Amino acid sequence: DAKTTQPNSMESNEEEPVHLPCNHSTISGTDYIHWYRQLPSQGPEYVIHGLTSNVNNRMASLAIAEDRKSSTLILHRATLRDAAVYYCILRDLMDSNYQLIWGAGTKLIIKP
Amino acid sequence: DSGVTQTPKHLITATGQRVTLRCSPRSGDLSVYWYQQSLDQGLQFLIQYYNGEERAKGNILERFSAQQFPDLHSELNLSSLELGDSALYFCASSQRDRGLRHDNEQFFGPGTRLTVL
Repeated sequence: DAKTTQPNSMESNEEEPVHLPCNHSTISGTDYIHWYRQLPSQGPEYVIHGLTSNVNNRMASLAIAEDRKSSTLILHRATLRDAAVYYCILRDLMDSNYQLIWGAGTKLIIKP
Repeated sequence: DSGVTQTPKHLITATGQRVTLRCSPRSGDLSVYWYQQSLDQGLQFLIQYYNGEERAKGNILERFSAQQFPDLHSELNLSSLELGDSALYFCASSQRDRGLRHDNEQFFGPGTRLTVL
């Protein structure tokens, strides 16, 4: 199984950058790395995804290690609205099924 | 608003009963995914449908079943309910299912909170 490991929680100050790590040492060559976040009392929302190269969008940046065994989600300037659980997920192949493996997530706490 | 709708928002029922949760995907999305989230837990993938056909299966109990209809809406049926089935059930949709190992962005609905008493 291609699984992910994330810290249970992280704290950051408002308006500072946040680096959220994810380890996926058993990732296969064609697995995409996806990040989603879940704000309190809401469904998850897409943040970013990538394969090998670093990726940027309006919400965040994704830095992928050269060996692809880890990645880091970067929020450049955290706001109180970024307080959420952040999930790092991979697409995994098991036999003829395609498991969607979600990590436990990192609860990001933003301090004003 | 993600464009994915789920009904009902809340459902309270008794053990042993059967319920049906409904999901309407975003316009144009062919894939529908169902997830279960128990209290303070991560999401557990249940099942995925693509254009009416089952595409992927997770740890879905035999008491649970799902289907996707020709108009692409989906229903998750939960039967012989137990106390432990109380959870948030999320539906998500995506435009397509490209290739074996890649998913495109999933859009999540607001969820159905199921309480089994």
